[in-house]
Amino acid sequence: DSGVTQTPKHLITATGQRVTLRCSPRSGDLSVYWYQQSLDQGLQFLIQYYNGEERAKGNILERFSAQQFPDLHSELNLSSLELGDSALYFCASSVGVGALNYGYTFGSGTRLTVV
Amino acid sequence: AQSVTQLGSHVSVSEGALVLLRCNYSSSVPPYLFWYVQYPNQGLQLLLKYTTGATLVKGINGFEAEFKKSETSFHLTKPSAHMSDAAEYFCAVRGFSDDKLIFGTGTRLQVFP
Repeated sequence: DSGVTQTPKHLITATGQRVTLRCSPRSGDLSVYWYQQSLDQGLQFLIQYYNGEERAKGNILERFSAQQFPDLHSELNLSSLELGDSALYFCASSVGVGALNYGYTFGSGTRLTVV
Repeated sequence: AQSVTQLGSHVSVSEGALVLLRCNYSSSVPPYLFWYVQYPNQGLQLLLKYTTGATLVKGINGFEAEFKKSETSFHLTKPSAHMSDAAEYFCAVRGFSDDKLIFGTGTRLQVFP
């Protein structure tokens, strides 16, 4: 157990629907990152939050949004789902940012299947 | 901008043989470099990291990697492969002031008895 908790582990939904993926970071970690892993795109950085504030944005679609709550858990919202959104979505956390960021701890991921 | 290139999407070795997984990076600033391992249906686990200091870095499970600035490389090695090493390995880089990790495309390691 890495200490980063992601729910649900699996999600099957239809095109056009909206889903929410949840992540609880490791205790003491203030920064949360979301990644998408697919066969054709590999591991793509989506977005980072630090202590409740958005810190960096990557290749995140406009249909996707995220937030980090006061208790530091984070949610990734995916809407108007398309078949191509099927992927593994990982959350990771780290203690600090910048020079104090020595690497992430990953959760076990949420496998999203859009049918 | 930072990027990494992992040479070889698949590597096969016999049990007991040397494991060598190649990673070259591109970075306009001093890089932090990482190797992660992903077992089937699991998340990524940190194997080792280079931040500053000693260029030969030892990680978990007997793996090590050497940061070679002149070659812009950070290859992962293990002297003797075990069956349990079969997994996908990812090299990643980040800049000193940039938090996000940029991952390579991964190398799938197969270990044959």
